Amino acid sequence: GQNIDQPTEMTATEGAIVQINCTYQTSGFNGLFWYQQHAGEAPTFLSYNVLDGLEEKGRFSSFLSRSKGYSYLLLKELQMKDSASYLCAVRGTGFQKLVFGTGTRLLVSP
Amino acid sequence: DVKVTQSSRYLVKRTGEKVFLECVQDMDHENMFWYRQDPGLGLRLIYFSYDVKMKEKGDIPEGYSVSREKKERFSLILESASTNQTSMYLCASTPPRQGAVQPQHFGDGTRLSIL
Repeated sequence: GQNIDQPTEMTATEGAIVQINCTYQTSGFNGLFWYQQHAGEAPTFLSYNVLDGLEEKGRFSSFLSRSKGYSYLLLKELQMKDSASYLCAVRGTGFQKLVFGTGTRLLVSP
Repeated sequence: DVKVTQSSRYLVKRTGEKVFLECVQDMDHENMFWYRQDPGLGLRLIYFSYDVKMKEKGDIPEGYSVSREKKERFSLILESASTNQTSMYLCASTPPRQGAVQPQHFGDGTRLSIL
């Protein structure tokens, strides 16, 4: 079977750092994506990991450990506009298909 | 920039109606996808297509069909709409690039209500 787990909701303060975890069990693995989705809007691509390690992109970083079936998205210097849902998605060995987690709703407060 | 356009942002239909949701992409992408998104369930794949006239079932195809007559357009059809098909529907596309994984680009979504 295929299973992706993320926390349902997290809260953090403006300027802080937050880590959103994602664990997965899928039939095959060919990359993990993180998407950001503001309420009522389309998901937008944030990051992609296929090899173990950390990928940094400005205030956002994403980490992958394939042996542990684990990834996290790290958001630094949080801003109010970072309040959104963050979706973890895994591509298996199949055709470009993604399996999505249920998303983590992040609320950033002043 | 990739542009994926869904024909309606909001749609209200009645049970039993045949409903068409349209999606158009302007980047000559081979692969197109239809998802529905429900609270607590995340995005679930309904159907996808990797070429004109080709289609594959996703995880929840029951009650739906699709049409891909032209490369840029992928239509989702609710054959006889039911209230449990009330949901947010998202279309996505991606090129097939061998040896690399391309992120899926999403449309703005269609919020469909079946009364």
